[in-house]
Amino acid sequence: QKEVEQNSGPLSVPEGAIASLNCTYSDRGSQSFFWYRQYSGKSPELIMFIYSNGDKEDGRFTAQLNKASQYVSLLIRDSQPSDSATYLCAVNDAGGTSYGKLTFGQGTILTVHP
Amino acid sequence: DAGVTQSPTHLIKTRGQHVTLRCSPISGHKSVSWYQQVLGQGPQFIFQYYEKEERGRGNFPDRFSARQFPNYSSELNVNALLLGDSALYLCASTKWDFSTDTQYFGPGTRLTVL
Repeated sequence: QKEVEQNSGPLSVPEGAIASLNCTYSDRGSQSFFWYRQYSGKSPELIMFIYSNGDKEDGRFTAQLNKASQYVSLLIRDSQPSDSATYLCAVNDAGGTSYGKLTFGQGTILTVHP
Repeated sequence: DAGVTQSPTHLIKTRGQHVTLRCSPISGHKSVSWYQQVLGQGPQFIFQYYEKEERGRGNFPDRFSARQFPNYSSELNVNALLLGDSALYLCASTKWDFSTDTQYFGPGTRLTVL
């Protein structure tokens, strides 16, 4: 059973701080990694994807991937109250029968307080 | 460009009934995946379709079926509804040109089974 694990939180940070969200995965063959943001009652919205080891930056967001440790993280700099949401880590199904299958973690609830 | 569209937005059914959910992918995207998300959990993969063929199936009973049409839109059908089928049903669209496997989600259909 391929698994993706996230700390469900809630993670609470003050406005302006750095929020750090973490995710581990069990399938060593996974190649693609995604972070989605989901507001309450809404559908997941893609924030970032990362394929290679190292860091990938996009505005206030930085994704970090370490395939040897099977670990992917998301850093949110200068956190804003509007960043308060559930953050979902997703991993592609490598080597399986479905190219289009994402396995999701349970999500981390982030609260940014003023 | 229009994003992924789904219909209906909300649906209320009773146990034993049948339901059909519809999805139109982003223009130019040829693959559609379906996910079920129950409250407090990450989305669970149900099906993936590409070029009208099923390319992947998750761990769901045969009551769940789907198809994809020549215009790449898709339907998800669920027969003999159970209370446990109450969830947010998400459709995700992928270009699938083998340079990217990024999935973009529609707004979802909220199904309530009474």
